[in-house]
Order: sequence, then structure tokens, then C-alpha cells
Amino acid sequence: GQQLNQSPQSMFIQEGEDVSMNCTSSSIFNTWLWYKQDPGEGPVLLIALYKAGELTSNGRLTAQFGITRKDSFLNISASIPSDVGIYFCAGQSLGGSQGNLIFGKGTKLSVKP
Amino acid sequence: DAGVIQSPRHEVTEMGQEVTLRCKPISGHDYLFWYRQTMMRGLELLIYFNNNVPIDDSGMPEDRFSAKMPNASFSTLKIQPSEPRDSAVYFCASSLNYQGNYGYTFGSGTRLTVV
Repeated sequence: GQQLNQSPQSMFIQEGEDVSMNCTSSSIFNTWLWYKQDPGEGPVLLIALYKAGELTSNGRLTAQFGITRKDSFLNISASIPSDVGIYFCAGQSLGGSQGNLIFGKGTKLSVKP
Repeated sequence: DAGVIQSPRHEVTEMGQEVTLRCKPISGHDYLFWYRQTMMRGLELLIYFNNNVPIDDSGMPEDRFSAKMPNASFSTLKIQPSEPRDSAVYFCASSLNYQGNYGYTFGSGTRLTVV
């Protein structure tokens, strides 16, 4: 079946540093989504991307839909302690139904004040 | 809007007991999803509904799991009998049937522990 490879699995950074994480797929996707999960809560949508090459920002967060349609990255600039959590990428393949949203395994981010 | 509401937040039960998890989706959302999250397997889609009708239940682990959506505002996920390997966080999510908008809104989850 389709899989998403998300990396890195975890990151330990100092407050103020920039963060970059990415997802790659074995197949072409027509939608890429990035979610954040705080401890004890469900994932919350951060950014949605619908076109190859699309670059979208949400505050200090920037995400891009790769030109090949098989990858996406998320950058966080000037990290702060509340950025701590697990970040998930999710994608939907061409022709996929609503239920074919596939999630990566997540990147656990730790920020040291 | 109160968002997707799940209950209970935590459930501890003994092996062999029946467990029922509940979900109230966001009003007006046409799709409802049940996910299971574990450290080993991440987020797994168990089943999803469209307009209260089950569309794909291929992710349901086995016959011990069942899900229903009797109306647009309520769904249940039942495990009978429960086993220790069912211990996980179960999430319900809902979304609008809106082309181009595939963002799901997740509930806060039910943490299930089977001892």
C-alpha cells in the first residue's frame, strides 16, 4: 500500500532555531496537509497544499508542495517552547476518495528554552 | 462550534469486557473517521462514514471491532471482547464534503487501556 516516509523521527533544538522536516511518498499526491498534535490532544491542521510547487505560510510556519508531487516540507522559523509536539504530514493520492488520506509517522519536536 | 467531541477521555477496562467509544462530529460535516494511534503504527484509519453510511471498514482489525453511525450527530466504536493489544488512543475526526478542502477536524481522543 501507499506509504509516507516522514523525517526526522525526532528533533531536539534550542529555542530560536529554525526547524525543517519533510515527507516523501512512493506515489503522486494531489493534496498535502501538515498537522500538529499537542500532548493529550488530537492533531490540528496547520497548513493545506493543493498545487505542485505551492508555497504557503501560516505565521512562522512555511510548507511547500514538491514539484514532483511526491514530497512536501515544513519549516518552522525562530522556534519557541510552545512549538513542542508531534508534527504529521498527510497526503491524498490522485483519484483517492476522502478516506484515502495517508498519515506519516510524525516528527516529535522538543524545544529547549 | 464545540468541535468534535469524544467520550470518554480515558477508559480502563479488563480484558474480555466490552468497550464503547463515542463521537459527536461537527454539525454539517458529511464525513466521519475513526483512527487508532499507537507508538508502533502511528495513526491508522479504522473506518469512515459518508452521510452516515460506512464506506470503507478495511482498517478494522478484526470482528471484535464494530462501528455505527445511527445519525449525523453520533457515532460509536465498539470493541467486544477487548484485549490488551487494543490499548491505544482512538480518535474520531470529521470533515466537510467540500472539494479541495480535505482537512479533518480531530477530537481529543479516547485513551483506552485494557488490562
